[in-house]
Amino acid sequence: NAGVTQTPKFQVLKTGQSMTLQCAQDMNHEYMSWYRQDPGMGLRLIHYSVGAGITDQGEVPNGYNVSRSTTEDFPLRLLSAAPSQTSVYFCASSPDRFNGNTIYFGEGSWLTVV
Amino acid sequence: AQSVTQLDSQVPVFEEAPVELRCNYSSSVSVYLFWYVQYPNQGLQLLLKYLSGSTLVESINGFEAEFNKSQTSFHLRKPSVHISDTAEYFCAVILNSGGYQKVTFGTGTKLQVIP
Repeated sequence: NAGVTQTPKFQVLKTGQSMTLQCAQDMNHEYMSWYRQDPGMGLRLIHYSVGAGITDQGEVPNGYNVSRSTTEDFPLRLLSAAPSQTSVYFCASSPDRFNGNTIYFGEGSWLTVV
Repeated sequence: AQSVTQLDSQVPVFEEAPVELRCNYSSSVSVYLFWYVQYPNQGLQLLLKYLSGSTLVESINGFEAEFNKSQTSFHLRKPSVHISDTAEYFCAVILNSGGYQKVTFGTGTKLQVIP
């Protein structure tokens, strides 16, 4: 079972560069989201999607862009990387509108911006 | 809006000793409560959740948590920890108010089991 797959696992970027973190899920989940994890701050929501073609901002959306052209894929784009975006990024998905559903996480992408 | 507080950032405990990881939440409406566990260099995995019914919920590996509405708490307990329980534990809450609600995570508690 693949579940939620993120690539790349590790990436080093120079300030100002752009890149895309890929996320794919094979569980036919409607809901997908991106979080960043920083020490002492838990997980903070960047962007989320409630279905193909629908996206919305989370707590910390600045500097990031998303799209949801298919149910399976939810890429996160860093437009112009900054050192403040050094973090661990997690993609997540959940089945449907019932809020008690389990959230399934990818294994994370470690990003360093120098 | 809801919030989640995990007061302890790190909890060291000796192997086979009991442990309690504290979680308090604030919300003006009813909520769903979760505990997730993160092992080193991995994503988060669901440990247990409270949706309704019995206020005591259990996981398959011996953890339990009790929903206390009056104290707005959802503390995680295990009577005897193992080395393999060393991980970071996150409490999370979702408002039970219909529609799609974003989950709010606490800042995490690192459980360090000492041999």
